[in-house]
Amino acid sequence: EDKVVQSPLSLVVHEGDTVTLNCSYEVTNFRSLLWYKQEKKAPTFLFMLTSSGIEKKSGRLSSILDKKELFSILNITATQTGDSAVYLCAYSGGSNYKLTFGKGTLLTVNP
Amino acid sequence: DTEVTQTPKHLVMGMTNKKSLKCEQHMGHRAMYWYKQKAKKPPELMFVYSYEKLSINESVPSRFSPECPNSSLLNLHLHALQPEDSALYLCASSQERAGTTDTQYFGPGTRLTVL
Repeated sequence: EDKVVQSPLSLVVHEGDTVTLNCSYEVTNFRSLLWYKQEKKAPTFLFMLTSSGIEKKSGRLSSILDKKELFSILNITATQTGDSAVYLCAYSGGSNYKLTFGKGTLLTVNP
Repeated sequence: DTEVTQTPKHLVMGMTNKKSLKCEQHMGHRAMYWYKQKAKKPPELMFVYSYEKLSINESVPSRFSPECPNSSLLNLHLHALQPEDSALYLCASSQERAGTTDTQYFGPGTRLTVL
């Protein structure tokens, strides 16, 4: 069965710290891996990764995919309290466009 | 514009009520989705519409009935729900064209409480 495993499940850091969130997957017909940030309501899109070794960046956030080792990481540098959220990893594959989510990592950034 | 809108934001209903959740997007996306999310859990896919036709039903009970009246609108009709159906219901959309992004854009959700 296809699955997505995120680690750690929760993480508490201080403002200014750098964090690395992990996502490993075992899927058939992999097409893409996506990262979302979810605060109180809807998940908001961060990155979509389809190719190994190409880092995607947006401000203090960056992500990379390793299709050989079947994992992705999400890095956040110089964390701020506004980064506190659940970070969800999801994969898309097969002939439909279904997203399958991992359980998420709850990040808490303390002042 | 990557906005998906959902109404209502909150809904409280009894087990004998009939209600509907609405979702709208004007990004020209041809795939639309309903997800259910319980507290501290990831979203779980319920239905997928592709070009206004139901393409995936994840074995959802018949008390949930989706409808896609046109390419911009998606409804979820609710009837005879159970208290365990209380959750955040999320709508999403994506382009669904070969060679383009799988990125799904989510609406803010409807917080449903079934009494």
